[in-house]
Amino acid sequence: DVKVTQSSRYLVKRTGEKVFLECVQDMDHENMFWYRQDPGLGLRLIYFSYDVKMKEKGDIPEGYSVSREKKERFSLILESASTNQTSMYLCASSLCTAQLCGYTFGSGTRLTVV
Amino acid sequence: DAKTTQPNSMESNEEEPVHLPCNHSTISGTDYIHWYRQLPSQGPEYVIHGLTSNVNNRMASLAIAEDRKSSTLILHRATLRDAAVYYCILRGPHGSSNTGKLIFGQGTTLQVKP
Repeated sequence: DVKVTQSSRYLVKRTGEKVFLECVQDMDHENMFWYRQDPGLGLRLIYFSYDVKMKEKGDIPEGYSVSREKKERFSLILESASTNQTSMYLCASSLCTAQLCGYTFGSGTRLTVV
Repeated sequence: DAKTTQPNSMESNEEEPVHLPCNHSTISGTDYIHWYRQLPSQGPEYVIHGLTSNVNNRMASLAIAEDRKSSTLILHRATLRDAAVYYCILRGPHGSSNTGKLIFGQGTTLQVKP
């Protein structure tokens, strides 16, 4: 079974802490993404990467950074966690053809910042 | 990016067909129509996609209007496990500026009653 694995299902951090959310995929996909999901706001794209060491901002990159040193791993970094970053974070990878971008999502990390 | 409009919620009875509508009046000629769904406590998963012709797979059917300004996801016999949020998403062709990016709207929350 192909997989996107997020390192933690639940995480509680303190305000001001540096937080790392890890995501690993085993499908050799070029593209990887980080979304956050909040009630009433749906899924919003934070950052994405089309290749190793490449990154692009999504719709809500403020307060976040990312790292893609290896093809299979895409890390989301909260430089100084704040309570408004309490959310469900979803990682995804995809392989695109001319017709289809097949996304595979992880199960999510529910982050609470106190 | 072209936008999609879906009803916030729909209800269905178990074992009955469900028609989930999506309006995309500003769709461009090269945009593909994708449908994803998100089961409770999981990341989204691919359902079906199409360009102009109606499409069928083991999960669902996709009916696309002749002018492509709307589409309908059809679940032929709803089960309790089909209760989810269904997202209708447009994606440009490979190599366009939004290659690989899926922008999720609010989706339609489908309730299935036993």
